[in-house]
Amino acid sequence: GAVVSQHPSRVICKSGTSVKIECRSLDFQATTMFWYRQFPKQSLMLMATSNEGSKATYEQGVEKDKFLINHASLTLSTLTVTSAHPEDSSFYICSATLPMGGYTFGSGTRLTVV
Amino acid sequence: AQTVTQSQPEMSVQEAETVTLSCTYDTSESDYYLFWYKQPPSRQMILVIRQEAYKQQNATENRFSVNFQKAAKSFSLKISDSQLGDAAMYFCAYRSRGYGNKLVFGAGTILRVKS
Repeated sequence: GAVVSQHPSRVICKSGTSVKIECRSLDFQATTMFWYRQFPKQSLMLMATSNEGSKATYEQGVEKDKFLINHASLTLSTLTVTSAHPEDSSFYICSATLPMGGYTFGSGTRLTVV
Repeated sequence: AQTVTQSQPEMSVQEAETVTLSCTYDTSESDYYLFWYKQPPSRQMILVIRQEAYKQQNATENRFSVNFQKAAKSFSLKISDSQLGDAAMYFCAYRSRGYGNKLVFGAGTILRVKS
């Protein structure tokens, strides 16, 4: 089936540094990618929608300068958390729309900022 | 804007028994999709079942079935013969018709399965 590979699965970074999370579609072209944030025992909160070759659309309240999204190719989308702070610690998940409809999700990245 | 409500934060079921998870949604659209996703402790999102609003027949996938009541905007999930592996967080989700539209998730229901 269609797979989105998300890396890294876990990352610990120091406060003030930047972290990049990658989502790569392995056997299909992902024209649209969604990025979510999830706190423990809570729902997925949509952060932004990215379409290949165009600027991402951010949800209200999400800082676009802090959460940089790049979707430069049909198989790769990245989320960079810039100048990370402890409050950015969370679980981040990407999801791609499938050519035949539906969605596939990455396995998530647990970010811890110390 | 569409909203999805899951009013049961947690549910418990005995192994081999049946449990129903509730979901209601609000929309002014007539054509859309509804989903149930499972998120086990691994946190990998897994599609359980999908329903197209224009189809009156309730979707079924093995032990999982839905009760789709379009007029009432209700979309409950029934799990029959519950298994330990069914323990997870379950999310109800809505999507407008049209390629690339985002999913709107409910708050989720934690399902515990007792042996």
